[in-house]
Amino acid sequence: EADIYQTPRYLVIGTGKKITLECSQTMGHDKMYWYQQDPGMELHLIHYSYGVNSTEKGDLSSESTVSRIRTEHFPLTLESARPSHTSQYLCASSVGINQPQHFGDGTRLSIL
Amino acid sequence: GQQLNQSPQSMFIQEGEDVSMNCTSSSIFNTWLWYKQDPGEGPVLLIALYKAGELTSNGRLTAQFGITRKDSFLNISASIPSDVGIYFCAGRGNTDKLIFGTGTRLQVFP
Repeated sequence: EADIYQTPRYLVIGTGKKITLECSQTMGHDKMYWYQQDPGMELHLIHYSYGVNSTEKGDLSSESTVSRIRTEHFPLTLESARPSHTSQYLCASSVGINQPQHFGDGTRLSIL
Repeated sequence: GQQLNQSPQSMFIQEGEDVSMNCTSSSIFNTWLWYKQDPGEGPVLLIALYKAGELTSNGRLTAQFGITRKDSFLNISASIPSDVGIYFCAGRGNTDKLIFGTGTRLQVFP
């Protein structure tokens, strides 16, 4: 099993709050990814990083931002949460380009 | 954006039966991956395929990379209750980005 950790697992919070979702991996993987998934639906890539100080937007437009200051850490931030941000957010990492991605257990976010 | 068509959408089977599901794409892929997701958890990699025609097994699971490179198949033999979950295919073309299928929801009855 891949060692990739996400916190919190669940978050219920009011509109307008600033939120940071944490993702850490202990495998030294350069490649990290954030996906958004509505319950039971397909995953959509919202951000990815190929290494420290490298971040790119994914295929699905998102108001969130990410940073990659350390190899093992890839946090996602929402400056002002809205109900439309309610979803599950999944973090993944891979050892290299074209290698399988391994996922954390996700953060289920509910914005009231 | 690009989407993979995964079928069937849902399956309700009896324990011991075999299961087949597939994914099709309008474009060519260089990699096919199959994941299983349990409720409240992240997807777990089951099988990775890298060459057209490749057939790979993982226990009771067998997956194939279609010869046209536009499809892939997953078979589960002799299903058991813990096979319940959502199965996702994912394909990768000439970029590193994975495109995910819409999922097949499997329910196994004793």
